Amino acid sequence: GNSVTQMEGPVTLSEEAFLTINCTYTATGYPSLFWYVQYPGEGLQLLLKATKADDKGSNKGFEATYRKETTSFHLEKGSVQVSDSAVYFCALIEDYKLSFGAGTTVTVRA
Amino acid sequence: NAGVMQNPRHLVRRRGQEARLRCSPMKGHSHVYWYRQLPEEGLKFMVYLQKENIIDESGMPKERFSAEFPKEGPSILRIQQVVRGDSAAYFCASSPAGTANEKLFFGSGTQLSVL
Repeated sequence: GNSVTQMEGPVTLSEEAFLTINCTYTATGYPSLFWYVQYPGEGLQLLLKATKADDKGSNKGFEATYRKETTSFHLEKGSVQVSDSAVYFCALIEDYKLSFGAGTTVTVRA
Repeated sequence: NAGVMQNPRHLVRRRGQEARLRCSPMKGHSHVYWYRQLPEEGLKFMVYLQKENIIDESGMPKERFSAEFPKEGPSILRIQQVVRGDSAAYFCASSPAGTANEKLFFGSGTQLSVL
């Protein structure tokens, strides 16, 4: 079946540092890939997505590229802010079902 | 336009009691999905409902768990005779159509603790 593995946390960074969260997947076919973010006390929000190989999703300074050859969808941001502190989830979709990674908690210190 | 509303935010039950978790979808959304997040794991799909219909319950345990989405009112996830292993965060999501895209929105979740 489909599955997603993402980098374990927690991750603690200083402001303006570079952030990478690794995500790899196992799937039949080529599913759409997503990154969701959950800020403290809120629900999950779609951060970005990519629907086919070599697509790059981007939003709020975050980027991720759909790499078919390495079955990866790593999340990156060049300069994080305190407001980026959250839990980040990598996910893929099969029909209407999302399969999520375990989540990575990111804390950015001023 | 309020988002997906889940209540309660925290629910404590003793073993053997019943737990009822509520989810009010966003206005205009007729599709509801329930996910469960066990400690240290990702969210797992449980059930997909449209108004008055269960479309897919393949992720829901066969016993003690049930879900409904009546014509009027919120969607309810019901867990009978709770056990400690049911302790988890339960998330609800809604969409206007049966797909996950920019129009799929999640609630803040209900944290169920079974003593």
